[in-house]
Amino acid sequence: EPEVTQTPSHQVTQMGQEVILRCVPISNHLYFYWYRQILGQKVEFLVSFYNNEISEKSEIFDDQFSVERPDGSNFTLKIRSTKLEDSAMYFCAITDTQYFGPGTRLTVL
Amino acid sequence: GENVEQHPSTLSVQEGDSAVIKCTYSDSASNYFPWYKQELGKRPQLIIDIRSNVGEKKDQRIAVTLNKTAKHFSLHITETQPEDSAVYFCAAEGAGNMLTFGGGTRLMVKP
Repeated sequence: EPEVTQTPSHQVTQMGQEVILRCVPISNHLYFYWYRQILGQKVEFLVSFYNNEISEKSEIFDDQFSVERPDGSNFTLKIRSTKLEDSAMYFCAITDTQYFGPGTRLTVL
Repeated sequence: GENVEQHPSTLSVQEGDSAVIKCTYSDSASNYFPWYKQELGKRPQLIIDIRSNVGEKKDQRIAVTLNKTAKHFSLHITETQPEDSAVYFCAAEGAGNMLTFGGGTRLMVKP
């Protein structure tokens, strides 16, 4: 199973602030995804990223969200002007088979 | 878009019994169906998957079946053990490798 890490493991922020969540695969991959899971609910797709381009995004992934691969390895999810309802676990996934990272718990106060 | 329904939402079995979780999907273009196990506070862990060119796949005590005509797929766990207790999610892959997840099944295996 491919290894992937995510940082930070837990992020607490004030409403209206910007956060950046990072996904770091151990080796090079072409496929990246972001999902979120509100506590006690199902996993929801946000965006898929293939060969350095967004290939699909959900209705959740509006102008508040953006993704980048700034240095060819890290894969980031930026959430601008966070809202209370953005509080959730955010998972990145890699490869076309979609192995999930350990997640970042985002808490918006 | 794709819609995935999963049943039951909770399932309690005695250790050693079998457990079956069923999912239906709506998009006939979906061709990849993974199953994830999620323990409390942890990541979804891929446990088995199936592609639409096969009808059944087995890995030790876990098997998955797929009926493309009826658009449903199932997870079968035999000889359940207490460590199988977790939430299980089915998913169907759509455009852009987007996974649409079912609502999850909380499996409890009683020793």
